[in-house]
Amino acid sequence: DSGVTQTPKHLITATGQRVTLRCSPRSGDLSVYWYQQSLDQGLQFLIQYYNGEERAKGNILERFSAQQFPDLHSELNLSSLELGDSALYFCASSGLVGTGELFFGEGSRLTVL
Amino acid sequence: AQKVTQAQTEISVVEKEDVTLDCVYETRDTTYYLFWYKQPPSGELVFLIRRNSFDEQNEISGRYSWNFQKSTSSFNFTITASQVVDSAVYFCALPLIKAAGNKLTFGGGTRVLVKP
Repeated sequence: DSGVTQTPKHLITATGQRVTLRCSPRSGDLSVYWYQQSLDQGLQFLIQYYNGEERAKGNILERFSAQQFPDLHSELNLSSLELGDSALYFCASSGLVGTGELFFGEGSRLTVL
Repeated sequence: AQKVTQAQTEISVVEKEDVTLDCVYETRDTTYYLFWYKQPPSGELVFLIRRNSFDEQNEISGRYSWNFQKSTSSFNFTITASQVVDSAVYFCALPLIKAAGNKLTFGGGTRVLVKP
């Protein structure tokens, strides 16, 4: 158990809809990262937050947004969903910056029909 | 740009055989970290090892060992006497940019199937 909690574990929705994925980092970790894992793109970094502020953006679509709240949990919002957004979305947290060690949640599997 | 290549997409072995996973990376940084993660069938990503580019000594942890060769930009991973529980996808990773903190770029992964 990594200590990172993600909900929901599975989500099925239709094209055009909007969903919110939630992540609670390990106790004490200030950084939260979101990754997308799909068959064609592999594991891709989406976005990072540190103590409530956006720190870095990766390959995140404009239809997607995220935020980190004062209690350090984070939410990833996916809107105007397309079939190609079907993927496993991981949240990870880290303690020491620069060590590279990420602690991943179990992921949220999104299926867009 | 940072890049990680895992040329082997899938390896199938019989239990107790050794299996070596290749990882080749590209980076302009002179110092960097390299990582291996394991993704078992249950889906979560599990951290296995971090290696600093300063340290080229091989590392062994139980049945796992890692061979880091800076001269060839490789960081290979060997599972000795494989077991069915080793069946998973293994990812090699590198920070996206130096001082990128913990933002990692991952290779495509190698799926290891260990048959009883």
